Amino acid sequence: AQSVAQPEDQVNVAEGNPLTVKCTYSVSGNPYLFWYVQYPNRGLQFLLKYITGDNLVKGSYGFEAEFNKSQTSFHLKKPSALVSDSALYFCAVRDHFGNEKLTFGTGTRLTIIP
Amino acid sequence: DAGVIQSPRHEVTEMGQEVTLRCKPISGHDYLFWYRQTMMRGLELLIYFNNNVPIDDSGMPEDRFSAKMPNASFSTLKIQPSEPRDSAVYFCASSSTPQQETQYFGPGTRLLVL
Repeated sequence: AQSVAQPEDQVNVAEGNPLTVKCTYSVSGNPYLFWYVQYPNRGLQFLLKYITGDNLVKGSYGFEAEFNKSQTSFHLKKPSALVSDSALYFCAVRDHFGNEKLTFGTGTRLTIIP
Repeated sequence: DAGVIQSPRHEVTEMGQEVTLRCKPISGHDYLFWYRQTMMRGLELLIYFNNNVPIDDSGMPEDRFSAKMPNASFSTLKIQPSEPRDSAVYFCASSSTPQQETQYFGPGTRLLVL
């Protein structure tokens, strides 16, 4: 079985400060990991993914995420937050083996304070 | 590419009525997914297709829900009869093989059943 946890429902960060949105996962094999962002009244937009290779993955809008196998984590980061980064962020995982199903976390609402 | 297209964007109906949601995946994608998003349950996978064939419908809540994919460019999700608890945002997503490919989401259909 595969699962993902986003321990924080809400994260508040001052504009210009670094931000981190946390994600931990559980899979039986090697994970494929994804981050998506959802703006109000919009669909989910792909930000970045980890499949294999370099543990630090760079994505859209200046976001990056670090895969940590020993801690089973895939935290989303950005060095300097913008007000426009305020949105709902979802982490998702798929096991390397088997089906095509993505399991999503419950989402973290990120608010950037001007 | 226009991305995943969903229609209608908004639907308001009365309890007991039939509701049909439509999705056009990205051209060339051979996987299609239907999700439901609610505040209480988050993002749930309802069903997914591969090459127009339903692969896993274990997320379909009950027999009132049905989904079809008559060809590679069109899918429907039907609720008959609809109930107030079906009120949610329904997303369609598509992806291509291989397995690590990203799922791309449509803008969603916001359904309200009165």
